[in-house]
Parts: sequence; C-alpha cells; structure tokens
Amino acid sequence: DGGITQSPKYLFRKEGQNVTLSCEQNLNHDAMYWYRQDPGQGLRLIYYSQIVNDFQKGDIAEGYSVSREKKESFPLTVTSAQKNPTAFYLCASSLNSGGSSNQPQHFGDGTRLSIL
Amino acid sequence: GQSLEQPSEVTAVEGAIVQINCTYQTSGFYGLSWYQQHDGGAPTFLSYNALDGLEETGRFSSFLSRSDSYGYLLLQELQMKDSASYFCAVREAGGQNFVFGPGTRLSVLP
Repeated sequence: DGGITQSPKYLFRKEGQNVTLSCEQNLNHDAMYWYRQDPGQGLRLIYYSQIVNDFQKGDIAEGYSVSREKKESFPLTVTSAQKNPTAFYLCASSLNSGGSSNQPQHFGDGTRLSIL
Repeated sequence: GQSLEQPSEVTAVEGAIVQINCTYQTSGFYGLSWYQQHDGGAPTFLSYNALDGLEETGRFSSFLSRSDSYGYLLLQELQMKDSASYFCAVREAGGQNFVFGPGTRLSVLP
C-alpha cells in the first residue's frame, strides 16, 4: 500500500550528537514537509520541499538540516545546535497544489526524539 | 504571515453535536483545512474549504467565511472514537507552506 514511512519510531540523542530521522514515501508526491510537535501543541513547520534538490526553511529551521536528493526521500538531521530537540517529529507529503485546489497532506506515524 | 486561533479544549457527550471554531489573521491563503489527530498518532485529513460556505462529509462538516476570518468544524452524532485533537490549517498564498492552528482537544463522554 502507498504511504509514508518514518523511522525510527523512537530515537535518543546524546549531547553534542547529530541524529537523522528518515522519511520515505511511495505516493509519488512532489512536496514533502517536516513538522515538530511539542506536547499539547500544534504543528510547527521546520522545512519543506516542493521538488527534488530544492527545499525552503519553515518557521523553526534553526538547528535542523534536510536534503532532497530523491523524490521519495526527505531525511531530517537534528544537529547539536538544536538545544531543545525533545519533541514528536512528523513528516508529511502532498501533491503540489495549484491555486485554491486542495491537495491534503499525508502524514507518517512520527518519530519521538528524546535527549539522553 | 498567518496566525490561527482555536479553543484549547471542548467536551461533549456521545450523540451530541459539537462545533470547533478557528479564527485567523492572514495576509492571504488558498483555503482552510481540518485534520484529526488521535493521541500519539499521525494527523489525518478531514475536510477542506476553498470557498465560503459549508462542506459536508458524512458526520463532519466544515464552514468558511473569509469576510469574518472564521471557520469551524462541525461534528454530528458524536462517538467515543471522535475523542482526539483537531487542527485547522491554511496554505499560504503563492506557495506550498502550510500553517497549523494550535489544536482543539475534543473529549467525548459516555
């Protein structure tokens, strides 16, 4: 079945360590997104990509990096510069929307990141 | 930029009707979407309004009024499984960037 796969489900980071969260989709979607969700809060956009080899910063990009070398994959690296990384990270994808047409976002099951 | 506001919590009983409001301040957007998220799970798409008015999808309906900068999600015949968080979201005009509201936690009581 088509969908979005995030791995790992749980991840622990040591001080000063970079960690990479995986996001793969087989929906043939052009656009992919990374969100951060803190307990009881909404989703905040970290980065998004509308096409391969291109991506844009969202509202809270500092301390994070991404790459989009393949259409199917959009990994997120949480760097040591991100001082408060503990959160639930959600990856999403959609077809690129034109004008007011709706292309809903499809979400993965998320990765919970904690600091050791 | 965009700013969306929602009530933090709503409580209702099984079989009832509940309305979750979303007010926004925005410089321009294409439409208003609604997503449902159960605890620990992934958000799932519920409804979308590109134009003013009411959209109905089964037990769920969504409404948008651009002149009032206001929308809502209406859930009818509430079931226990509807207990979840509900988020409104807009896609910024001219791009693919989505902005989500803070979410409303709905608790359905027996």
